[in-house]
Amino acid sequence: SSELTQDPAVSVALGQTVRITCQGDSLRSYYASWYQQKPGQAPVLVIYGKNNRPSGIPDRFSGSSSGNTASLTITGAQAEDEADYYCNSRDSSGNHAVFGGGTQLTVL
Amino acid sequence: QVQLQQWGAGLLKPSETLSLTCAVYGGSFSGYYWSWIRQPPGKGLEWIGEINHSGSTNYNPSLKSRVTISVDTSKNQFSLKLSSVTAADTAVYYCARGSSAVAAGGSYYYYYMDVWGKGTTVTVSS
Repeated sequence: SSELTQDPAVSVALGQTVRITCQGDSLRSYYASWYQQKPGQAPVLVIYGKNNRPSGIPDRFSGSSSGNTASLTITGAQAEDEADYYCNSRDSSGNHAVFGGGTQLTVL
Repeated sequence: QVQLQQWGAGLLKPSETLSLTCAVYGGSFSGYYWSWIRQPPGKGLEWIGEINHSGSTNYNPSLKSRVTISVDTSKNQFSLKLSSVTAADTAVYYCARGSSAVAAGGSYYYYYMDVWGKGTTVTVSS
């Protein structure tokens, strides 16, 4: 079982804002990182640290954290944002990486 | 720009040993955690383990008894061996570069994997 918990599926209307959450005790010490994965492709890092975007990631992607919950927000969702999203962190010991179970995002 | 190129056998029989290698091109090998992650068909990502340039390893407790990750710094490569495979080990296997540090202010850490290989499909079947 994953030490990070995500909702299995979320949907959003085109152009609207959606928040994907990730819960876990280790998130009180670690910022979550977020990955986008489209079918047949490797995951792509979209958010890391407090709220950092790698080069090439649109600024409609943002991250936040409060207590044991991390959030990925997409402001003005586009059709190309339809994908699976995974959060990632270290576990409470810091010795192991862990992934959330993933959230399938549908853009309506 | 850092790139990871991975390779290894894609079809195994039960009880055999999975062996994959990942080569790092275009960047430093030191200062990072080099990880293996897998994804069974239709399922989520599972972290297998990691190694740093000095050979220090961490493994997923659920796989630890069967996993060995090694490094060859002379070639900027790291490798995964998973013994006694079964059908449950059928998955796409990825290598990735991990970074970890203390965030500004000192009260939080961050960890992320910013470079990934393209993945290798491994099927275990008799």
